[in-house]
Amino acid sequence: EAGVTQSPTHLIKTRGPQATLRCSPISGHTSVYWYQQALGLGLQFLLWYDEGEERNRGNFPPRFSGRQFPNYSSELNVNALELEDSALYLCASSLGGQTNEKLFFGSGTQLSVL
Amino acid sequence: QKEVEQNSGPLSVPEGAIASLNCTYSDRVSQSFFWYRQYSGKSPELIMSIYSNGDKEDGRFTAQLNKASQYVSLLIRDSQPSDSATYLCAVNEGNKLVFGAGTILRVKS
Repeated sequence: EAGVTQSPTHLIKTRGPQATLRCSPISGHTSVYWYQQALGLGLQFLLWYDEGEERNRGNFPPRFSGRQFPNYSSELNVNALELEDSALYLCASSLGGQTNEKLFFGSGTQLSVL
Repeated sequence: QKEVEQNSGPLSVPEGAIASLNCTYSDRVSQSFFWYRQYSGKSPELIMSIYSNGDKEDGRFTAQLNKASQYVSLLIRDSQPSDSATYLCAVNEGNKLVFGAGTILRVKS
């Protein structure tokens, strides 16, 4: 069974434009979570989607947004890129509905903003 | 005050010893607690979950939860060099899972 898959593995952008990161959850999982892991910092919660709806978002500016598609895959969009957005972006999935369920993480997208 | 706090380490233990990792949290109503392991350059993987006060054992790992004192710990018995990693404590706070910054564990052979 395939795990959580993320693409691209690496993304290099200049300041200003948008970056789009993609995530496919484990088959049967309906919840997708996005976390940012900056160098030396812990995982910072970004967004949680379940059954196509945004259930919660972390303390990030509105230029961080995303959506979940009918097949439960998800994308994270980061607009007006800033240098401080350089980080590893991790997607995780779970069976759905409850945050007390186990999260399974993908390998992440390393975003570098130059 | 950070929501979930861990000592960043590194915690160094000799091979075969017991490694003790600690975590405190601020939300008194939290009900679900998790320990994830993250190897360098890899994504986190779940190793333990605990929901009730007391101890929960799984192989060489024991998770301990004390809700009154708001701390959760992870004991690793017979530590192996392959246990060297960053250990992340995660706490369910409302509609999100909050992670600590992690403790680096180094097991020396």
